[in-house]
Amino acid sequence: DTEVTQTPKHLVMGMTNKKSLKCEQHMGHRAMYWYKQKAKKPPELMFVYSYEKLSINESVPSRFSPECPNSSLLNLHLHALQPEDSALYLCASSQGRGDGANVLTFGAGSRLTVL
Amino acid sequence: LAKTTQPISMDSYEGQEVNITCSHNNIATNDYITWYQQFPSQGPRFIIQGYKTKVTNEVASLFIPADRKSSTLSLPRVSLSDTAVYYCLVGAHDKIIFGKGTRLHILP
Repeated sequence: DTEVTQTPKHLVMGMTNKKSLKCEQHMGHRAMYWYKQKAKKPPELMFVYSYEKLSINESVPSRFSPECPNSSLLNLHLHALQPEDSALYLCASSQGRGDGANVLTFGAGSRLTVL
Repeated sequence: LAKTTQPISMDSYEGQEVNITCSHNNIATNDYITWYQQFPSQGPRFIIQGYKTKVTNEVASLFIPADRKSSTLSLPRVSLSDTAVYYCLVGAHDKIIFGKGTRLHILP
């Protein structure tokens, strides 16, 4: 299995809702990532987990809460979001080579709309 | 982190060879150069990675001069389906930051 699977593909939520995005990989990759992408902009790094521990948080607001229950799963919990948080949320994983040769495998993304 | 600079956009015609150059003056000794392709509403897809000289795979070639301060992605005989955004990334272990990319538009 060489895929990263993201669910749901589309999510519409109100500003008071609590929802979660899910990501799964079965490639034995040790690092998992969340990116946010707005239209016609590059993906923007949010969080990185390495060996199931949060290693990078790019100053993301606390209304986004990541969780890595095990080495194959990555969640992004959403609470009290704003309309400007509407975007494509991308999950990725990598073998995590320590020599600058990291290659990311991305999922298809979850399209989030906040009303 | 090494910063990358690419053309914002490029147009080409079907059947042509397309070369996209990326500048990375501050590349570190251990950094590799990696290119991704992204179609609208999809995640980026790995195309090719290299450290020096030339790398070729089934979809592209990557040319890296000796000083490694730039690299060129070469797409042979492009088709309409190669219309996408192409990102050049350098380094950087786990903190993988995307630059603005090159929007490639293939014309019939």
